Amino acid sequence: AQKVTQAQTEISVVEKEDVTLDCVYETRDTTYYLFWYKQPPSGELVFLIRRNSFDEQNEISGRYSWNFQKSTSSFNFTITASQVVDSAVYFCALSGSYNQGGKLIFGQGTELSVKP
Amino acid sequence: KAGVTQTPRYLIKTRGQQVTLSCSPISGHRSVSWYQQTPGQGLQFLFEYFSETQRNKGNFPGRFSGRQFSNSRSEMNVSTLELGDSALYLCASQGGRGANVLTFGAGSRLTVL
Repeated sequence: AQKVTQAQTEISVVEKEDVTLDCVYETRDTTYYLFWYKQPPSGELVFLIRRNSFDEQNEISGRYSWNFQKSTSSFNFTITASQVVDSAVYFCALSGSYNQGGKLIFGQGTELSVKP
Repeated sequence: KAGVTQTPRYLIKTRGQQVTLSCSPISGHRSVSWYQQTPGQGLQFLFEYFSETQRNKGNFPGRFSGRQFSNSRSEMNVSTLELGDSALYLCASQGGRGANVLTFGAGSRLTVL
């Protein structure tokens, strides 16, 4: 069975602090994809990143960075110098082989609150 | 390029009624997926349609059904509504075989009284 665990339900930081959102996954697939989505108060899920299981390179995009470690089945997300606009619920998700296309297994989400 | 459009955005129904939600995917996207989001269960996959055929199905009762039209627009229907069906229903489309990247709509918030 596939499962995604985001142990942190809520995180509160002060602007300019760095914050890391944890994600641990379980799957028996050898090929899989990992995602992060952001859900602002408007409700629409916004895609942030996709990683496939063969690509363990870390990625940095502006203030966002992702650390993928197969050895620990983790795909953590770090926001550097957080801003109030980063306040949202963040979801980590897992997908199996490509023919599962639209079927993502989501974690429970981490609500990030960035205070000025 | 227009995003994923869901209608209606908000609706209120009573127990026992049925509801139909609509989703227009991004132009050119042939896959449409539906998700239910509740505070207790989080985001759960309902089903996916690709080229008018159901490609994947989640673990929901038969009261939840969907379909896709030749123009890729999709509808989902919930019959005999229960209080527990109150949720945000999100639709997502993806383009390109195996792309896996879903673009979500703003959702339809259903309240069942």
